[in-house]
Amino acid sequence: NAGVTQTPKFQVLKTGQSMTLQCAQDMNHNSMYWYRQDPGMGLRLIYYSASEGTTDKGEVPNGYNVSRLNKREFSLRLESAAPSQTSVYFCASRTGGSGANVLTFGAGSRLTVL
Amino acid sequence: QQPVQSPQAVILREGEDAVINCSSSKALYSVHWYRQKHGEAPVFLMILLKGGEQKGHEKISASFNEKKQQSSLYLTASQLSYSGTYFCGTAGQAGTALIFGKGTTLSVSS
Repeated sequence: NAGVTQTPKFQVLKTGQSMTLQCAQDMNHNSMYWYRQDPGMGLRLIYYSASEGTTDKGEVPNGYNVSRLNKREFSLRLESAAPSQTSVYFCASRTGGSGANVLTFGAGSRLTVL
Repeated sequence: QQPVQSPQAVILREGEDAVINCSSSKALYSVHWYRQKHGEAPVFLMILLKGGEQKGHEKISASFNEKKQQSSLYLTASQLSYSGTYFCGTAGQAGTALIFGKGTTLSVSS
């Protein structure tokens, strides 16, 4: 079982360039999330999708857009990359709803903006 | 609002105990604990739900004080494999997105 798959694993961009981070899960989870991780800042929520067809802003949404393409896929787009967006990005998914459902994370995508 | 974790870092020798705390300014429905090894993704450790019991797994256990909006992770007789960064994630209501703290780095040496 692949779990949560993120592509690409590494990317270097120049300021102003655009790119899309892809995320796909094969666990039939309803909810999907994008977090960014910076040294000393922990994991910060960018956007999430509680179910197919819905998306909501998290703690740090500025400069990003998302698309919940279908139940399996949730992409994160940087329209005009800035050095402040240099980070490790994690996609995660879970069953959703109430109860003791837990997050499964992808391996991460390391993005550097020059 | 991010929950506050303390301490920021802990250095232990094998066999010693540690406690990591997580507190929130908002009422909590659930607290999740994750561990992340360097260069890897966070991995789930345990979850505590409002009204639930203290959880435990071998030498790692956790408590949840709903009234104080706090949770603590207890690591007893630490092993080298316990090294990593521990994150608490909190949710104010069932099904809402987790907000994580800044993490506590645990280093265990022999």
